[in-house]
Amino acid sequence: SQTIHQWPATLVQPVGSPLSLECTVEGTSNPNLYWYRQAAGRGLQLLFYSVGIGQISSEVPQNLSASRPQDRQFILSSKKLLLSDSGFYLCAWSETGARGEAFFGQGTRLTVV
Amino acid sequence: AQKVTQAQTEISVVEKEDVTLDCVYETRDTTYYLFWYKQPPSGELVFLIRRNSFDEQNEISGRYSWNFQKSTSSFNFTITASQVVDSAVYFCALSEAYYGQNFVFGPGTRLSVLP
Repeated sequence: SQTIHQWPATLVQPVGSPLSLECTVEGTSNPNLYWYRQAAGRGLQLLFYSVGIGQISSEVPQNLSASRPQDRQFILSSKKLLLSDSGFYLCAWSETGARGEAFFGQGTRLTVV
Repeated sequence: AQKVTQAQTEISVVEKEDVTLDCVYETRDTTYYLFWYKQPPSGELVFLIRRNSFDEQNEISGRYSWNFQKSTSSFNFTITASQVVDSAVYFCALSEAYYGQNFVFGPGTRLSVLP
């Protein structure tokens, strides 16, 4: 069966520090991968999605970047965090093509102080 | 462009009441997929249902039922005989088959079921 792992679960980082959140999927090949952000009490904002290795689409201009170095690995990064980067970050995967549901990781709660 | 609207920000009901969560969507695609997710306090999103645009048959799963109407671009979710464990934020989402590989989520509806 397929599983998705996202870590860390919580993170407190100072303003200006770098960020790296990692997400891996097991049990499937060539998945679509997504990064979402959820601000406190708000909906889900799609940040990045990827349909293959090295292929990244950015939905919202921001202080973040994403990379997909391997088929089932998706990394969210920042060189210098801002206070506004605080939020709940969710990684998700779906089968190739936009036909299947997305399955989500357990999320990372990031607080920038 | 894709858009999902959930007009109800918060709903409170008493246990055993029925409750309907509304979802209205916009899409330029003729083939698309609709979803409902539940987000309990733990934060993880739990998939509930997927519907494709060709299938307007309503679906029932236990106390949950979904009403898909293309004519009004709506995909409403009803919980019958609500329970405290149903308290969560519920998200409706849309995915287009041809114009995007991504999922667009509505803003969510926070449901509180009171004992």
